[in-house]
Amino acid sequence: AQSVTQPDIHITVSEGASLELRCNYSYGATPYLFWYVQSPGQGLQLLLKYFSGDTLVQGIKGFEAEFKRSQSSFNLRKPSVHWSDAAEYFCAVGARGNTPLVFGKGTRLSVIA
Amino acid sequence: EPEVTQTPSHQVTQMGQEVILRCVPISNHLYFYWYRQILGQKVEFLVSFYNNEISEKSEIFDDQFSVERPDGSNFTLKIRSTKLEDSAMYFCASRMGQNEKLFFGSGTQLSVL
Repeated sequence: AQSVTQPDIHITVSEGASLELRCNYSYGATPYLFWYVQSPGQGLQLLLKYFSGDTLVQGIKGFEAEFKRSQSSFNLRKPSVHWSDAAEYFCAVGARGNTPLVFGKGTRLSVIA
Repeated sequence: EPEVTQTPSHQVTQMGQEVILRCVPISNHLYFYWYRQILGQKVEFLVSFYNNEISEKSEIFDDQFSVERPDGSNFTLKIRSTKLEDSAMYFCASRMGQNEKLFFGSGTQLSVL
């Protein structure tokens, strides 16, 4: 069965510190992987996606993610967190075509001074 | 950046009542989706719609649910007789092509009392 696991429900980091949000997936076909961010009162905004090629993908707002097939992981990273990064982050997996996305439960990021 | 618009942002209804959630997808998009997120749980796929018909639906999307694109711009989700467990945030999404970026609206919070 297709599934996405985000093991951390809530993470708190200090502003300026580095960040890594974990995502593991289980998917039968070649996965397309996504990270979305949801700020309060906002919709889901795509941060980055991996379809193929270079396993380290760059996204918006200084985020990057690395696809590791051997670990079935697609962890999101940022070297220096800003207070505006406080939000809910969702990892999702899909496939080529019109396949619906399967989302993880999300990780809530809090940023402290 | 173009936006998917959802109205209302918050809908309160009595159990057993019908509700219609409205979405205006991005104008040149061809694929339309509804997802929902029950508080504290994953974002779940409900239904996808293409070429004026449902292309895929999940187990959640039972006979109480229906979708319509009545006028070429709006995309609606109707729940015929709401239940308490229908309380959730409902997200509309659209994209131009099957492998294109998926744009989400900011959601409608449905509260069934």
